[in-house]
Amino acid sequence: DVKVTQSSRYLVKRTGEKVFLECVQDMDHENMFWYRQDPGLGLRLIYFSYDVKMKEKGDIPEGYSVSREKKERFSLILESASTNQTSMYLCASSSQRETSVFYGEETQYFGPGTRLLVL
Amino acid sequence: QQQVKQSPQSLIVQKGGISIINCAYENTAFDYFPWYQQFPGKGPALLIAIRPDVSEKKEGRFTISFNKSAKQFSLHIMDSQPGDSATYFCAASGGATNKLIFGTGTLLAVQP
Repeated sequence: DVKVTQSSRYLVKRTGEKVFLECVQDMDHENMFWYRQDPGLGLRLIYFSYDVKMKEKGDIPEGYSVSREKKERFSLILESASTNQTSMYLCASSSQRETSVFYGEETQYFGPGTRLLVL
Repeated sequence: QQQVKQSPQSLIVQKGGISIINCAYENTAFDYFPWYQQFPGKGPALLIAIRPDVSEKKEGRFTISFNKSAKQFSLHIMDSQPGDSATYFCAASGGATNKLIFGTGTLLAVQP
């Protein structure tokens, strides 16, 4: 069964702290994504990675960085947490589009999310 | 041009009724249009998806209708059930990118 796991379901951090969110997938997917979900704004892409050590900025990368040292693991880092980073963070993975032979292989599979509160 | 506009923001339907959620896009390079379903406390999960070579796709009670000329697509949930109560997101992707552009979501409540 397809699985994307996230290290924490709930986190409470102080303003200025460095925060690490970890995501692991067991599907050997090339692509991994970090989104944040806020009411009325949907899912907004923060960063994504299409290969180990490769990363690309999404729509809202400011205040975030990422790390992908192994294919199965993608970390989101909040360098100095701020209250406006209070949100639900979702990790996803998918296979590479150009290698998708069968319909549906580019499906993104999501983890359960991490609800982060920054005080 | 990268936006996907979704409406309504929320929807209340009686059990047995039809739920309809609409999305519109601008980028003609989009060629993959999935719908995701998200229950409280869970991540989104793929519900159904369509490519623009067909105008409709049906899976059980869920149907996507696709209008390429209008650049619109919609999700229809027939015989809506309380268990369908969730947030629904439309999305689109295309070209060489593996990125999905998501709509803002629709909170569906099906009343018993």
